[in-house]
Amino acid sequence: DVKVTQSSRYLVKRTGEKVFLECVQDMDHENMFWYRQDPGLGLRLIYFSYDVKMKEKGDIPEGYSVSREKKERFSLILESASTNQTSMYLCASRLRTQGALGYTFGSGTRLTVV
Amino acid sequence: GIQVEQSPPDLILQEGANSTLRCNFSDSVNNLQWFHQNPWGQLINLFYIPSGTKQNGRLSATTVATERYSLLYISSSQTTDSGVYFCAVENTGGFKTIFGAGTRLFVKA
Repeated sequence: DVKVTQSSRYLVKRTGEKVFLECVQDMDHENMFWYRQDPGLGLRLIYFSYDVKMKEKGDIPEGYSVSREKKERFSLILESASTNQTSMYLCASRLRTQGALGYTFGSGTRLTVV
Repeated sequence: GIQVEQSPPDLILQEGANSTLRCNFSDSVNNLQWFHQNPWGQLINLFYIPSGTKQNGRLSATTVATERYSLLYISSSQTTDSGVYFCAVENTGGFKTIFGAGTRLFVKA
């Protein structure tokens, strides 16, 4: 069964901490994505990656960075966590050619910054 | 950029009732997809439907691309249908997917 695995289901961090959210997929997908989900706003794209070592800013990249050193792993980094980054974070992957049909999502990480 | 609007934002149904969820989008799109997010947060693909009509069991979807809207029909709703339904479109540039804000559905037993 193919899957996207996010390392933590729930996470509580303090303001100013550096936070790493990890995502691993076992489907050999080229494209990987990090979304943030907030009530009433749907999913908003933070960063995405076409392939290994490639990254592109999404709609709300401020305060975040990413790393894609291996094809199967896409990490989201909060350089200095702030309370307005409290949210649900969703990782997704897809094959390059499949368009929207090919999305597979992880179960999400609910991050609380105190 | 493309705007995606979903309605209604919230919906409460009695088990067995039917419902229609709507997704309007502001520009031409390559793809359109409906997702269901269950109460545990997992997003599941429902339909890939850039145009036309598709059915899968009690669910069906219709997209009228020329009029820039899509409808998701749920018939004989069950409590397991509860969750959030998202519409997502892909811009004609081909890479960016834009999600609507979702319709939160609660089906009462």
